[in-house]
Amino acid sequence: EVQLVETGGGLIQPGGSLRLSCAASDFTVSSNYLSWVRQAPGKGLEWVSVIYRGGDTHYADSVKGRFTVSRDNSKNTVYLQMHSLRAEDTAVYYCARHSYSGSYFFDYWGQGTLVTVSS
Amino acid sequence: ETVMTQSPATLSVSPGERVTLSCRASQSVSSNFAWYQQKPGQAPRLLIFGASTRATGIPARFSGSGSGTEFTLTISSLQSEDFAVYYCQQYNYWPPVFGGGTKVEIK
Repeated sequence: EVQLVETGGGLIQPGGSLRLSCAASDFTVSSNYLSWVRQAPGKGLEWVSVIYRGGDTHYADSVKGRFTVSRDNSKNTVYLQMHSLRAEDTAVYYCARHSYSGSYFFDYWGQGTLVTVSS
Repeated sequence: ETVMTQSPATLSVSPGERVTLSCRASQSVSSNFAWYQQKPGQAPRLLIFGASTRATGIPARFSGSGSGTEFTLTISSLQSEDFAVYYCQQYNYWPPVFGGGTKVEIK
């Protein structure tokens, strides 16, 4: 069964850094597109970043230059490294698999990990 | 950036009723459009892609229609497990954008 499990969230002070992990099961991350999508408390969904099969990455303007997505094929895991965190980055962060490479809708989602940026 | 507008924000309905949710795109997105369902404390679940194709395992009571800028999700007979927030998403343009959601609550 396809599964995505996010870890690494927590309480962090403004300006701090945090790394989220997304461990995949039953499929190979290097053969798929994986995105990070976030949801601020009580709000809607916001796409954050993607890593393509070939390793190319793209980011939403709101996080460009502060967040970096990467993967470790040996661990079948995707990461989101977040720097210079702001209060507005507070959200549940989901990793989501693109339904097929080249598509931009998401057929599997993790359960999410909460990031709270506050002093 | 394409803006996705969902209406209404909240819909109060009784079990067994037919429900119609709407989503409008600020520019044509062709049929590159999806619907998701999200229950409290859970991740979103893909319902519909390609504007009208049900995802694997989605009951036939869910149907999607539309193309271009106007889209509709219809639930033919609302079941208790369907009370949730529904989000639309366009994936025709970069970046992918979600609507603000419609909450379907018990009347």
